[in-house]
Amino acid sequence: EPEVTQTPSHQVTQMGQEVILRCVPISNHLYFYWYRQILGQKVEFLVSFYNNEISEKSEIFDDQFSVERPDGSNFTLKIRSTKLEDSAMYFCASRPGGGPNYEQYFGPGTRLTVT
Amino acid sequence: AQKITQTQPGMFVQEKEAVTLDCTYDTSDPSYGLFWYKQPSSGEMIFLIYQGSYDQQNATEGRYSLNFQKARKSANLVISASQLGDSAMYFCAMREGPYDKVIFGPGTSLSVIP
Repeated sequence: EPEVTQTPSHQVTQMGQEVILRCVPISNHLYFYWYRQILGQKVEFLVSFYNNEISEKSEIFDDQFSVERPDGSNFTLKIRSTKLEDSAMYFCASRPGGGPNYEQYFGPGTRLTVT
Repeated sequence: AQKITQTQPGMFVQEKEAVTLDCTYDTSDPSYGLFWYKQPSSGEMIFLIYQGSYDQQNATEGRYSLNFQKARKSANLVISASQLGDSAMYFCAMREGPYDKVIFGPGTSLSVIP
């Protein structure tokens, strides 16, 4: 069964450094998302991406964040200058688009630790 | 304001018994959908079940069923015949907006007792 993959599974970085979190969505999916979950808290929407552009973003997704789909398969989340409060699990998700199937398929997550 | 409310931070259930996890939601959109996801201690998000606002029947997937009461804006998850492997965090969630972002509730931690 096809699945969303994410790399790395765990990233440790120093405050102020740039990080890139990588995701490979399911190949025929059209909508892509990033969510984050701070330890012990609920999952929060960051951004959605459709037709090669950001379709919606949350208040959390400020100028420090950016997303790209550079080559038609990878979907990346970049944090330009990490802060301690960026420490969280980051989930990528994708869904097919069209029709009644609204299920978002989540990747296994990348745990980001900012020290 | 909270769009998804889960009032049970923690629940216990005896193995083989049924359990209901509560969820209420708030939306003014006539077209919406509700999900339940399971998050075991390993951290991944596992899709369990989906209910569309226009679906005539309550959704069922194996041991999972969704008790959808539209007028009360509730979408409770019923797990029948609980198993030890059902111990996990359970999130109720709702798709929202033209690009179907998912808004999650705070979650309910379920522990299945042998």
